Order: sequence, then C-alpha cells, then structure tokens
Amino acid sequence: AQKVTQAQTEISVVEKEDVTLDCVYETRDTTYYLFWYKQPPSGELVFLIRRNSFDEQNEISGRYSWNFQKSTSSFNFTITASQVVDSAVYFCALSEAFSGGYNKLIFGAGTRLAVHP
Amino acid sequence: DAMVIQNPRYQVTQFGKPVTLSCSQTLNHNVMYWYQQKSSQAPKLLFHYYDKDFNNEADTPDNFQSRRPNTSFCFLDIRSPGLGDAAMYLCATSSARGEEQETQYFGPGTRLLVL
Repeated sequence: AQKVTQAQTEISVVEKEDVTLDCVYETRDTTYYLFWYKQPPSGELVFLIRRNSFDEQNEISGRYSWNFQKSTSSFNFTITASQVVDSAVYFCALSEAFSGGYNKLIFGAGTRLAVHP
Repeated sequence: DAMVIQNPRYQVTQFGKPVTLSCSQTLNHNVMYWYQQKSSQAPKLLFHYYDKDFNNEADTPDNFQSRRPNTSFCFLDIRSPGLGDAAMYLCATSSARGEEQETQYFGPGTRLLVL
C-alpha cells in the first residue's frame, strides 16, 4: 500500500533560520510522482513542486530546495533563510503513475511550520 | 490568470438542510476533484470527474453527490448535512494531457459550518 509519512507535526523557528521538512514514502510502483503543497492560513493548497521517480536531481527554487533520494524513499524540503510568510502547513504527497486519466494523491499528515520574527 | 474558483468561501447551513458548493475553473482541465479536509488533517478525496465520467471513492458517504454540467463547473451537493460534515471542501483540477498531467491545482476552498 502507498503511504506518506511526515513525522514532524509542528516546527517552530525564528526568522532567517534554515528549516528542513521531512517526507518519507512507501510504494511498490516503479513509476510514481511526489509533490509538495503549501497551505497557508487562508486554506488554499498551493502547488510547490512535482518530481517523478526517474528524476533524482535535487531542485532549487529561490529559497526553496528539495532533496529526493530513492535509496531512502525520502523527498525532503528545505527552506533557507525562513520568513514569516513561510508560516503554513506543508503537505508531501505521492501519486501513482498516470493511468486512466487521473492520479490519486496520497497525502502525508502535514507539517505545521511557524516562523517567528 | 487561469485559476480554480470556489464559491462561497464560507457557508453556514443547518443540520439536515441541503447545501451546494460550487467550483469553476479557467484552466480547461478535464479532470476535477472534490476533497474534504477536517481540522488538522490531510485532504481526503471524495470523488472526481474525468470529463463527464464520475468516479466515487469507496468510502464516500451517499450523502455526498456531485454534478458536472460542463467542463468549467463542478458542484458538490450534501443532501442532509450532519455536524460531522463541517469541514473545508477543496476543489482541484488536473489535465489528462501534456506535461502537467500529474499535477493537481486547488481552489481556495469553501469552509462549511453546520449548525
């Protein structure tokens, strides 16, 4: 069965600190996709990144970076020099490879990040 | 900007009184999803449409129904809301074509309160 584990329920940091959000997944599929979404207090889920199982290159986007390691089934997310606007709940999600026209997202429980001034 | 729109953002209804939540999209995506998210939990998929084909999750209660009259609009009907149905309802879309076919884009959600 597919499963996503975000062991960190809540993280609290002071502005400008670096913070890493952990994500560990389980799947028997050889082809799959991993995602990170941000959910600010307003409630909307904002798409951050998609990574397919064949692409293990790390990615950097501004202050955000992602480390995908198939050997440990992890897809961790690092925010460098955190800011108050980064305060949100972050969800890691896994989907089966595209089949039949849709993909079902398996979400982790989410990590609530609080960045204090 | 292309987007997913949900109305209303907040909905208050009475126990047992039918309620309809709406979702529209300008992304021209052929797949639309409805999720329920309760406080401090992850979103839970209720059902999705692939074009006009409706697909229900096995554990979605019969109290929840959906309609998709055209590509742009999708509705969530709760026939007899109970107190346990109070939640955030999120609509999402994805394209079954092209490079972005695996990515779901979410609307701002409708927060439902049942009195």
